[in-house]
Amino acid sequence: QKEVEQDPGPLSVPEGAIVSLNCTYSNSAFQYFMWYRQYSRKGPELLMYTYSSGNKEDGRFTAQVDKSSKYISLFIRDSQPSDSATYLCAMRGSYIPTFGRGTSLIVHP
Amino acid sequence: SQTIHQWPATLVQPVGSPLSLECTVEGTSNPNLYWYRQAAGRGLQLLFYSVGIGQISSEVPQNLSASRPQDRQFILSSKKLLLSDSGFYLCAWSVVGGPSTGELFFGEGSRLTVL
Repeated sequence: QKEVEQDPGPLSVPEGAIVSLNCTYSNSAFQYFMWYRQYSRKGPELLMYTYSSGNKEDGRFTAQVDKSSKYISLFIRDSQPSDSATYLCAMRGSYIPTFGRGTSLIVHP
Repeated sequence: SQTIHQWPATLVQPVGSPLSLECTVEGTSNPNLYWYRQAAGRGLQLLFYSVGIGQISSEVPQNLSASRPQDRQFILSSKKLLLSDSGFYLCAWSVVGGPSTGELFFGEGSRLTVL
């Protein structure tokens, strides 16, 4: 079993939809959780960074962590075509994060 | 503000040729530095990381090497490229210590094709 599991997709949704992206993990030592967005042929950029369980909201994005279930989510409200990208989850216990494979999201007009 | 530069952006190399990818960070001191490779559908693979000048840790045994000759400079090298070295290489940096340590900031990437 991989430490971090993430469905690669692709996930295709219409503009305006609520998108839910998820990762599961097996390492109980993970304390910090991150979501990155990566456009095609570009480096990943940090979207959200959360510590331990709970929710964090930033504009249209909400990150949710459930440590008891070892499950994290990223919600995107009112999705836009410009949100089309690959979303990678990452998490760490020590200082080096472990990444998921990324989920490809396509938002069509 | 901090910026990270990585070059070249794209290169095509024959099998057996050498490789040098360079990365520099501006606007911060003594960052942690990382080299990742991203193959299609396989996520990010950590290759090397460095916590200081001359301090390199290798995560995956292979024909690649890394060096950190200056505080904000990180170089990925190979003496003889293999076909399997093709991929998208990403340099990243993070602050040292504290809860922000795991926040990685990535360069634009270098796409390597070995023929």
